[in-house]
Amino acid sequence: AQKVTQAQTEISVVEKEDVTLDCVYETRDTTYYLFWYKQPPSGELVFLIRRNSFDEQNEISGRYSWNFQKSTSSFNFTITASQVVDSAVYFCALNSSGGGADGLTFGKGTHLIIQP
Amino acid sequence: NAGVTQTPKFQVLKTGQSMTLQCAQDMNHNSMYWYRQDPGMGLRLIYYSASEGTTDKGEVPNGYNVSRLNKREFSLRLESAAPSQTSVYFCASSTYGWGKWPQHFGDGTRLSIL
Repeated sequence: AQKVTQAQTEISVVEKEDVTLDCVYETRDTTYYLFWYKQPPSGELVFLIRRNSFDEQNEISGRYSWNFQKSTSSFNFTITASQVVDSAVYFCALNSSGGGADGLTFGKGTHLIIQP
Repeated sequence: NAGVTQTPKFQVLKTGQSMTLQCAQDMNHNSMYWYRQDPGMGLRLIYYSASEGTTDKGEVPNGYNVSRLNKREFSLRLESAAPSQTSVYFCASSTYGWGKWPQHFGDGTRLSIL
């Protein structure tokens, strides 16, 4: 069985602060993929990043960075110098070979509020 | 770039009524999915179709049926709507169900059952 846990239900920070969203996953498979999605207040789900289990390099894209650590089964997401437009619900998701063809297992999401 | 298109965007039904949510994708994806999103519950998979001609139950299939009409279209039917089915419904598609392929989502359908 596979599982994704996002323990932070809601985070509120003031604009320009750095913020990290935690994601812990469980799988018995050695090959798997991790994803982050963003759901802004408008409601659509936007794919942000994918990481495979064989690549532990951290990823940086502008103000966004992702830290993948197999040793702790975590795939955390950091926003540097947060902005109001970052306010959204963020979902972490897992796709492992044992999960079958039904695709992604999602965490319950973290609601990020950036206050001006 | 249409991507994944869902219709309708909003719907209000009375208990016991039936309706079909439509979903179409133009990305030549093999796999399609229906999710429901409820506050605090995240996204829960209702049904999926790994490829044209196949459908399978997800985590919360009760009260729903699906049809994979062709490679592009995957519909979700509520035969006798209940208030517990009030939710936001998302359709998604991906190249394949397993592997590196991200799912691409439609904009959602907000469904209220009175």
